[in-house]
Amino acid sequence: AQSVTQLDSQVPVFEEAPVELRCNYSSSVSVYLFWYVQYPNQGLQLLLKYLSGSTLVESINGFEAEFNKSQTSFHLRKPSVHISDTAEYFCAAGYLQGAQKLVFGQGTRLTINP
Amino acid sequence: EAGVAQSPRYKIIEKRQSVAFWCNPISGHATLYWYQQILGQGPKLLIQFQNNGVVDDSQLPKDRFSAERLKGVDSTLKIQPAKLEDSAVYLCASSLGLSQETQYFGPGTRLLVL
Repeated sequence: AQSVTQLDSQVPVFEEAPVELRCNYSSSVSVYLFWYVQYPNQGLQLLLKYLSGSTLVESINGFEAEFNKSQTSFHLRKPSVHISDTAEYFCAAGYLQGAQKLVFGQGTRLTINP
Repeated sequence: EAGVAQSPRYKIIEKRQSVAFWCNPISGHATLYWYQQILGQGPKLLIQFQNNGVVDDSQLPKDRFSAERLKGVDSTLKIQPAKLEDSAVYLCASSLGLSQETQYFGPGTRLLVL
């Protein structure tokens, strides 16, 4: 069965420090990768996605993720975090099996300390 | 553009009672999803509709859960009878189509079963 593993359940960092949230997925011929963010008491919002083409994808608020097929990873990075980045981040993989099925990781809670 | 709407936002019931959740997807989105998100875990797909037909309900506990999307627009998810382990956030999402499409999530319904 397809699976997504987020290696860290919680990541505390100081404001303006860099951060990396790790994500690994089970290998498949056709896979699409997403990072969603969930702010407190809100629904999930798409942060960025990889469908094809350039392996480095960026969001409008400074996050980036790199698709690494050989390591089956899609780690999320930001060079300098802000207090407003405090949220839960979910990695998800879309597998084409008849129709797209989205499998989520268990989430990483990012806490930014001043 | 209006987002995915869900109601109620919160519900508290006793075990063995029944409960229903409602979802109105983004206008024009053919595909609708119901997810269950247990505290500390990522969302798990329960059922996926394409218009008013079921695409995937392999993880829906059919002895107690049911869902319908009669006119291919809004949808209801029902639990009857509820168990303690059904306490979770129930998320509804929609997308334009099936393949590679971004899923847009509603705010969720938080269910507590006592």
